[in-house]
Amino acid sequence: AQSVTQLDSQVPVFEEAPVELRCNYSSSVSVYLFWYVQYPNQGLQLLLKYLSGSTLVKGINGFEAEFNKSQTSFHLRKPSVHISDTAEYFCAVSAGTYKYIFGTGTRLKVLA
Amino acid sequence: EADIYQTPRYLVIGTGKKITLECSQTMGHDKMYWYQQDPGMELHLIHYSYGVNSTEKGDLSSESTVSRIRTEHFPLTLESARPSHTSQYLCASSEQGRTEAFFGQGTRLTVV
Repeated sequence: AQSVTQLDSQVPVFEEAPVELRCNYSSSVSVYLFWYVQYPNQGLQLLLKYLSGSTLVKGINGFEAEFNKSQTSFHLRKPSVHISDTAEYFCAVSAGTYKYIFGTGTRLKVLA
Repeated sequence: EADIYQTPRYLVIGTGKKITLECSQTMGHDKMYWYQQDPGMELHLIHYSYGVNSTEKGDLSSESTVSRIRTEHFPLTLESARPSHTSQYLCASSEQGRTEAFFGQGTRLTVV
């Protein structure tokens, strides 16, 4: 079975500052990893995904994430955030079956 | 751009009414999912489908039912709505577990 832990429920950060949202997972098999963003009253939109290959993955809106197998982590980063990045961010894993396991989410609040 | 649609976006309905939440996708995906999400909370899988005439219950027990008569259509029905059913319902689809899931915009249901 797989599980996902997002260590921070809320992250406040000033505009133009860097941010890191943490995600750790556990699994006895190889997994595929995803970050989604959810704006208020919207569905989830894919930011980026790791399926295989390079451990540094670049996504939309200037976000990137690094897959670290030894630390079972997949942290999301952005070097300079904007007010418009304020949203809920979800990390998810899949072992290649039907099931996606989501973390509890991290609320990013960008302050002016 | 994902092509998965949910209607209605918002619904306020009285206790005891029967409701159907619609979900359609035009990507030809075999796998479809329904998630329930309370405000600011994690996603809980309530139903999924591998394909036509295949439906299974998810991890979170739900009084709702689903059907999959056509590949593109995966409606969710509540026979008798109750205030405890008030939540956001998210529909998703995927080609297979090795790629990302695509989400609809969600239906925010309020039962009064």
